[in-house]
Formats: sequence, C-alpha cells, structure tokens
Amino acid sequence: DTGVSQDPRHKITKRGQNVTFRCDPISEHNRLYWYRQTLGQGPEFLTYFQNEAQLEKSRLLSDRFSAERPKGSFSTLEIQRTEQGDSAMYLCASSFYSGPQETQYFGPGTRLLVL
Amino acid sequence: KNEVEQSPQNLTAQEGEFITINCSYSVGISALHWLQQHPGGGIVSLFMLSSGKKKHGRLIATINIQEKHSSLHITASHPRDSAVYICAVRVLYGGSQGNLIFGKGTKLSVKP
Repeated sequence: DTGVSQDPRHKITKRGQNVTFRCDPISEHNRLYWYRQTLGQGPEFLTYFQNEAQLEKSRLLSDRFSAERPKGSFSTLEIQRTEQGDSAMYLCASSFYSGPQETQYFGPGTRLLVL
Repeated sequence: KNEVEQSPQNLTAQEGEFITINCSYSVGISALHWLQQHPGGGIVSLFMLSSGKKKHGRLIATINIQEKHSSLHITASHPRDSAVYICAVRVLYGGSQGNLIFGKGTKLSVKP
C-alpha cells in the first residue's frame, strides 16, 4: 500500500489552456474526494465519488470543471479554459467508507499555476 | 461567517511549551477531524472525534459537542511539530455524507 498518489505534482499553464490531473487512491478504498486549497485557506470540497458514481458536487465546481472515476479506481479532474483564479493546490483523498466516522487519506496535491 | 473557525491563526512557541489550538463550529456534526499539513502540501489525519477526548503520544484532542468546540493540545512541543493544523467537520444535514468543511488552519512554529 503506497498511499494516495497524484500526478503531476506541479503544473504551470497559460490562461485558456485545459489541464488534467490524476489521482490514484489507496487500493480497495471506495470513496475518492477532490478538494481545492488556496494560499492561507483550508481545503474546500469540490466533489466526491463512491466507487464510480459521482455522488456530490460543490457549487464551486463550475461547468469548466469535470471529474471522472471510470472504473472506480483512479480519478481525473479536468479544468477547461483555465483562469488565473484556478491557481491553487488540488488535493485528492480516499477512504474506505463504512459510516460517518471514516478517515480520509490525502495525497500530496497538485499545485496549479495559471499565468 | 465561516462555519468552522480556528484560533489562533498563527502561533509561535518555544520548544517544550504546552500548545493549545482551538476550533469552534456552528453546524451540527457527526465527527470532527484534526489534520496536520506540512510545507509542500501533504495532509495527515491526526484525530477523528465525535465525543470526549483522544490521546496519541504528545497530542491530545478534546471535543465538547454541546458547546460546539474542540481543542488540540501539544505537550512538550518540538520544532518538528511546526506545521499547519487544520480542524474539519463532517456536517449533519439531510442525507449528505459527502464532504468535510475545513477551518483555515493554525500555522504553528516551534523555535528551538
């Protein structure tokens, strides 16, 4: 068990470009979460999956953002037509959900800078 | 007003001092988490509480559900404790079990 991994760790892009991030959760974990964290703030929930089903999306997730978890394992988060305001750390977490007292395991994050 | 408030925002301590970080929340919760975030972004879960008190090594976390307040204590602080400590709550509303709401974090710096 190697923990939650995210790729890439850093991404610099120009405004208007599309970017895609990948998250590989801990194997056997049925839940996968995406969060966004800006400088000096705590993480903010974006969306989560239970297996391959996307169960909840935050209002923060505009129509330029899309996330998938096609086989219930890894997940991708795509941002289309990036804006400077999208610059942030994108965090992924996974858990084996069996009730409200789950523990989420976080990946190292992908730091995005939009120029 | 944020649903999860932490204090202080920044804390500088001398090695060996006893440290307290506070978290207040305004919503009904099913659980409260204390997380540690090191420079570079990695987040580690320290505690999950729904009542009472938990202890792990030099770390102690308490929660008072009636007062909607939790504290994280560090005894005999050490420079390696320097990190951002984040309080997060799992909200009770409707049938949603999805997301955590996070505080802004408390940046702790322990000087040798």
